[in-house]
Amino acid sequence: DILLTQSPAILSVSPGERVSFSCRASQSIGTSIHWYQQRTNGSPRLLIKYASESISGIPSRFSGSGSGTDFTLSINSVESEDIADYYCQQSNSWPTTFGAGTKLELK
Amino acid sequence: QVQLQQSGAELVRPGTSVKISCKASGYTFTNYWLGWVKQRPGHGLEWIGDIYPGGGYTNYNEKFKGKATLTADTSSSTAYMQLSSLTSEDSAVYFCARGRGAMDYWGQGTSVTVSS
Repeated sequence: DILLTQSPAILSVSPGERVSFSCRASQSIGTSIHWYQQRTNGSPRLLIKYASESISGIPSRFSGSGSGTDFTLSINSVESEDIADYYCQQSNSWPTTFGAGTKLELK
Repeated sequence: QVQLQQSGAELVRPGTSVKISCKASGYTFTNYWLGWVKQRPGHGLEWIGDIYPGGGYTNYNEKFKGKATLTADTSSSTAYMQLSSLTSEDSAVYFCARGRGAMDYWGQGTSVTVSS
């Protein structure tokens, strides 16, 4: 199975800051990476698909980049509602797998 | 609007089985794959498998073969997942989610607690 390593485990930010989440795959997966947000006691919410494709209804401050093994999710200007766990998922190889997540918290 | 409504929390005995449901609305149920994902604290998200209600096709993560059985009732637009021979390792929140690859809509989750 493809291993996705997310770093760091915890990110502390102030509102208005730009923040980036890293996801590294154990082998090349092209652009078959998707990003999710999960708030406390909530369900995962798709933010970005196929590395950089935007999703209808998701604020434009969320963006994604990368290909091969290294991927990044960025939030341009963090808002308090963005406090959540963020997961990456790969769908290049079966079975699809998820990273362990990065927790975003406020300073 | 697309919605996936899951059945309520379950408290079950070790060694027994449980069947949880996921009722879809707001889209054509038979046209999309529907997957199931397990979430336990400290274990992240694990993909269990998926089903294509339009043809009844299923795929399972090797890790969950023999543990999970996926079915779908097209007349009620409802997908089901049965978990068998339950142990404490099966205590988790289970989500259904639409799509193969990127999963664009998720149910609210069903908590399963295995305890004697």
